[in-house]
Amino acid sequence: DGGITQSPKYLFRKEGQNVTLSCEQNLNHDAMYWYRQDPGQGLRLIYYSQIVNDFQKGDIAEGYSVSREKKESFPLTVTSAQKNPTAFYLCASSIGVPSYNEQFFGPGTRLTVL
Amino acid sequence: KNEVEQSPQNLTAQEGEFITINCSYSVGISALHWLQQHPGGGIVSLFMLSSGKKKHGRLIATINIQEKHSSLHITASHPRDSAVYICAVVYGGSQGNLIFGKGTKLSVKP
Repeated sequence: DGGITQSPKYLFRKEGQNVTLSCEQNLNHDAMYWYRQDPGQGLRLIYYSQIVNDFQKGDIAEGYSVSREKKESFPLTVTSAQKNPTAFYLCASSIGVPSYNEQFFGPGTRLTVL
Repeated sequence: KNEVEQSPQNLTAQEGEFITINCSYSVGISALHWLQQHPGGGIVSLFMLSSGKKKHGRLIATINIQEKHSSLHITASHPRDSAVYICAVVYGGSQGNLIFGKGTKLSVKP
């Protein structure tokens, strides 16, 4: 079965700790994305990568970091510099840019910082 | 800035009713996506369109480029249609990325 997996589904961390969210896809997609969802707001783009070893900041990249060492994997690190990290995080992938291509989403990780 | 506006924010319907969810945008776009988010949080892409109309089962999506408006229709609604429906657009200023509306929460009662 092809798809996107995110782990864990729920994650709790103490304030001040860095945490890494996993995203893996076996769809052979070049492009991968990280979004943040807060109650009452639309999804907002954190980082995106259109090809291995390259990634770009989205609208709300401050306090986050990513890597794209493999086509299948796009982990997101929420650093202690992120002022309000509690949110629902969604990873997505597509063959190419969203102008012409459907995005496929993972099940999400709900991060709670205590 | 709100490039994408959806209405209504919340919608409650009885099973069998015809549903319409609206999406208006303020910029010239290259594509518009309709997505469905289930209560568990997972998101599924329903439609991607840049003109005209698309149909899949009981779902119909239309777009009017001149009026900068799209609608998602659900015929013969069912409780399993209860979800949040999200409109997202791609335009020149977004570097090819999606800009999302806040979503419309639909609840279909049996």
